[in-house]
Amino acid sequence: KNEVEQSPQNLTAQEGEFITINCSYSVGISALHWLQQHPGGGIVSLFMLSSGKKKHGRLIATINIQEKHSSLHITASHPRDSAVYICAVPGEKLTFGTGTRLTIIP
Amino acid sequence: KAGVTQTPRYLIKTRGQQVTLSCSPISGHRSVSWYQQTPGQGLQFLFEYFSETQRNKGNFPGRFSGRQFSNSRSEMNVSTLELGDSALYLCASSLILAGESTHNEQFFGPGTRLTVL
Repeated sequence: KNEVEQSPQNLTAQEGEFITINCSYSVGISALHWLQQHPGGGIVSLFMLSSGKKKHGRLIATINIQEKHSSLHITASHPRDSAVYICAVPGEKLTFGTGTRLTIIP
Repeated sequence: KAGVTQTPRYLIKTRGQQVTLSCSPISGHRSVSWYQQTPGQGLQFLFEYFSETQRNKGNFPGRFSGRQFSNSRSEMNVSTLELGDSALYLCASSLILAGESTHNEQFFGPGTRLTVL
């Protein structure tokens, strides 16, 4: 069973700050998902990556397969980035991290 | 292309009743997975259906069941509801290219928020 840990659990930052959310897992995988969940519940898939780095707008995700670690970065953070960010690792089923609640203050 | 839709969006039931939730995947997606999200346990996998067959099942009691129809629409049923079944139920569809569906991008619906009184 893959254990997935995220840190920090909660993060409050000022608008414009650079944000980093970390995800570690215990069993080697071939890919990892980053998800965003806004208040109200809807989940959006941000990235699925298997190596290196992916960038989409102000969001950057990196993964180090050997170290079993992934990071999600947000540059020039904005209040609309306030959400819960969840990493998930595949297998027979998706195993989810506990999520990081991000609040960006204007 | 329309996204994943779930009905109903909100539901209130009492203990002992049963409930059926519906999920319509993105057109062309043949895999549908169901998840339960609670404040205490977070997101947990319920089951996955592909081509009308259950491929994987999470650690939930037999009161939780599901099915998938030939048009890939899926339903999940919870019988004999308990207070602890109050949760957000999410479904996600995936275009299976090869191998495990979890290795492909999953597209989530808005969820059904179930409250059991």
